[in-house]
Amino acid sequence: NAGVTQTPKFQVLKTGQSMTLQCAQDMNHEYMSWYRQDPGMGLRLIHYSVGAGITDQGEVPNGYNVSRSTTEDFPLRLLSAAPSQTSVYFCASSYSRGAGELFFGEGSRLTVL
Amino acid sequence: SQQGEEDPQALSIQEGENATMNCSYKTSINNLQWYRQNSGRGLVHLILIRSNEREKHSGRLRVTLDTSKKSSSLLITASRAADTASYFCATDAGLSGGYNKLIFGAGTRLAVHP
Repeated sequence: NAGVTQTPKFQVLKTGQSMTLQCAQDMNHEYMSWYRQDPGMGLRLIHYSVGAGITDQGEVPNGYNVSRSTTEDFPLRLLSAAPSQTSVYFCASSYSRGAGELFFGEGSRLTVL
Repeated sequence: SQQGEEDPQALSIQEGENATMNCSYKTSINNLQWYRQNSGRGLVHLILIRSNEREKHSGRLRVTLDTSKKSSSLLITASRAADTASYFCATDAGLSGGYNKLIFGAGTRLAVHP
């Protein structure tokens, strides 16, 4: 099984550009989430989804959009990139709503100039 | 705001020694989890301990939980160079929209020298 797959692994954007980070999982997990990781800050939750068609905001949702049209995919859209969005982004999924084990992708490193 | 905070921020030991990392959190929890992250990789789940458990073992890992002190510790015994990684604790932030969101601390960077 591939688990959680994120693309692209690396991306450089200019301020104001938009882009979509892709995330797909093949474990039939209902729950998916996006985190960003910054030095000294740990991981912060951006958005999450409890199933197809249902999404909600995490700690740091501003500047990001998500949608969940299928169980497998959970893309993260940057609407108008800013240097403050330079970070490593992780997608994670879980089979349990009860804060069970999260399965992480390998990350997408984004630089906004 | 972070729910969990790890201590120390960095730890350097020799192979064969034990490594202890601590995590403190602020509010009541249902469970606490520990994750490992190798440089440039995603996080990997190590162990989950529920609020009604005090100690849990998995191979060379031992996790304790003290809910009265709102703290947990991760002990890695007989460390190996391959244990070099960052270690994160994560606690559930409470049920919201039918999902217990996990909140992560800033992590402990462990370096194990041959």
